[in-house]
Formats: sequence, structure tokens, C-alpha cells
Amino acid sequence: DSGVTQTPKHLITATGQRVTLRCSPRSGDLSVYWYQQSLDQGLQFLIQYYNGEERAKGNILERFSAQQFPDLHSELNLSSLELGDSALYFCASSPTPGGGTDTQYFGPGTRLTVL
Amino acid sequence: AQKITQTQPGMFVQEKEAVTLDCTYDTSDQSYGLFWYKQPSSGEMIFLIYQGSYDEQNATEGRYSLNFQKARKSANLVISASQLGDSAMYFCAMREVYTSGTYKYIFGTGTRLKVLA
Repeated sequence: DSGVTQTPKHLITATGQRVTLRCSPRSGDLSVYWYQQSLDQGLQFLIQYYNGEERAKGNILERFSAQQFPDLHSELNLSSLELGDSALYFCASSPTPGGGTDTQYFGPGTRLTVL
Repeated sequence: AQKITQTQPGMFVQEKEAVTLDCTYDTSDQSYGLFWYKQPSSGEMIFLIYQGSYDEQNATEGRYSLNFQKARKSANLVISASQLGDSAMYFCAMREVYTSGTYKYIFGTGTRLKVLA
């Protein structure tokens, strides 16, 4: 158990809908990262937050957004869902903004299925 | 160009034997980090080992060691005394500078390891 929690574990929804994925980082970690893992794209970095502020942005679609709240939990919002958004979404956390020996620890993931 | 290359999509190893999973990387940064993660069939990503670009010694964590050859830009994972529970997908990842003060993690496509009894 990495200490990172994600809810829900599974989510099934229809095209065009909007969903929210939730992540709680390990105790003491200030950075939260979101990743998408799909069969054809592998593990793709979406976005990073550090202590409530957006820190780095990767391959995140405009239909997706995220935020980190004062208690450091984070939410990833996915809207206007398409079939291709079906994937495993991971949250990871680390103590610092990155660099040095900073290491990411992953949550169990949320499996999103868009029908 | 691929930043992280894992050329072995799948590998088999006999229980109790050692196995090496290959990883090569491409970066122009002087300071970077290399990581290995394990993803069992249950789906979670488990951190295994870290190697910093300035570390002169190869990293070791229990049965895992990282064979770091900086000049060749390779960071191979060695698992000694394989166990059935080692059967999983293994990902190599690199952290490099994204913009000033920010970093990005890039993952390889993974190697699926099957340990045979």
C-alpha cells in the first residue's frame, strides 16, 4: 500500500458525460500528479499540482481539468467524454515539486470505461 | 525519438534465476533521475528503485539492482532469485527538467515478465 488513495476504483459512463476522479496523496506529500494509461498510448503524464498550484502540464486535453484543494487532495475532471478516454487513470504523489531524490508513489488507479 | 526505450516486450525467467530487464534513455540534461516501477495484473504501480544521474554507485533495493551505465545511457533492472510473484509488467521511467523548476516523468512501454515454476 503506497498510501495514495483514489476513488472510485471503477467508473462506467456514457459518451458526452462528465466525471470526477479523486485522489488523496500520502501524508506529508505536497505534489500530486495525474497520469492516463491506455493500451495504445502507454502511461502519459497529464498534469502536476504542488501545494495547491499547477506546476507542470503534460498531454492533458482541454476537456480535462484538475485542481488541488487546501487539504491537498486533488480532483481530475473529465468532460464531454469520448470512447477513447477509456483508460486507467493514476494519481501519484511526492514530497517536493520534483528533482533530487524525489520519488513518485502511485495510487491504485481508477479504471474509466466510456460506453 | 523515444526518450525511454524498453526493447523487450516480454520475457520469461525460471524461478530462482536472475533476470535483466533492459532500459535505455535519451536526455541532454546533466541532472536526471531514473526509476523502475512494477505493475502486477491487479493494476497498481509499485515503486521499485531509483538512480540519480550523479550517483556513482548502482542502486540496490533488496533483490532489485539497477545497472547504471551513464555513457551508454542505459539503466537496466536486475532481479535476482526470481519469484513467482515477480510476474508483472515493469516500467522504466526518467525524470528530467521540463521547464525551470519543474520536472516531467517519461515512462517506457514496459516489459512483461513471466516467472516460470
